[in-house]
Amino acid sequence: NAGVMQNPRHLVRRRGQEARLRCSPMKGHSHVYWYRQLPEEGLKFMVYLQKENIIDESGMPKERFSAEFPKEGPSILRIQQVVRGDSAAYFCASSLPQVMNTEAFFGQGTRLTVV
Amino acid sequence: QQQVKQSPQSLIVQKGGIPIINCAYENTAFDYFPWYQQFPGKGPALLIAIRPDVSEKKEGRFTISFNKSAKQFSLHIMDSQPGDSATYFCAASNRGSSNTGKLIFGQGTTLQVKP
Repeated sequence: NAGVMQNPRHLVRRRGQEARLRCSPMKGHSHVYWYRQLPEEGLKFMVYLQKENIIDESGMPKERFSAEFPKEGPSILRIQQVVRGDSAAYFCASSLPQVMNTEAFFGQGTRLTVV
Repeated sequence: QQQVKQSPQSLIVQKGGIPIINCAYENTAFDYFPWYQQFPGKGPALLIAIRPDVSEKKEGRFTISFNKSAKQFSLHIMDSQPGDSATYFCAASNRGSSNTGKLIFGQGTTLQVKP
């Protein structure tokens, strides 16, 4: 039973380019969370998605960031026109639908470096 | 009010010692308090979690103590080993039926256990 799979593990982008981060949840999990971890800091919530729905995007920057979780395929976190401040580790977590009684499992993260 | 404050920022103990990491929160709606362990280059892994209806939970060498009136909780690691050297994060969440279950993380504690 594979865990949460994120790819790529490392991503280097020049300022102004687009970054696409992918997250395949654990089998049977239909809920996905994205978190961002800046160097030497804790994880900050960005967005919570269920299949084909964004449920809570209160942690997402208002511009350049978007997320989706289509009916088929992985969840995608997209960052347009990246800037140096976007350099961070981005983690995805997935859980079963019963939020009250289940745990969220994290992937290994994508480390984005903007040069 | 959504913050979780964690201390100390770093901790060094000798093998066999009992490191203690503390967290405090403000939001009384939080009803789920997990601890995560993170090794360099890896994603956070759930260690142990507690709900506010109990004051203590033990799993192996890891114990959570919870003080609801003080809005504080702590992690104790018994008989610590060099392999426990990692960054530890506390977190809090409101998992009621109308909530998303997103995690609010503390800033992290880097633990070093010396042989």
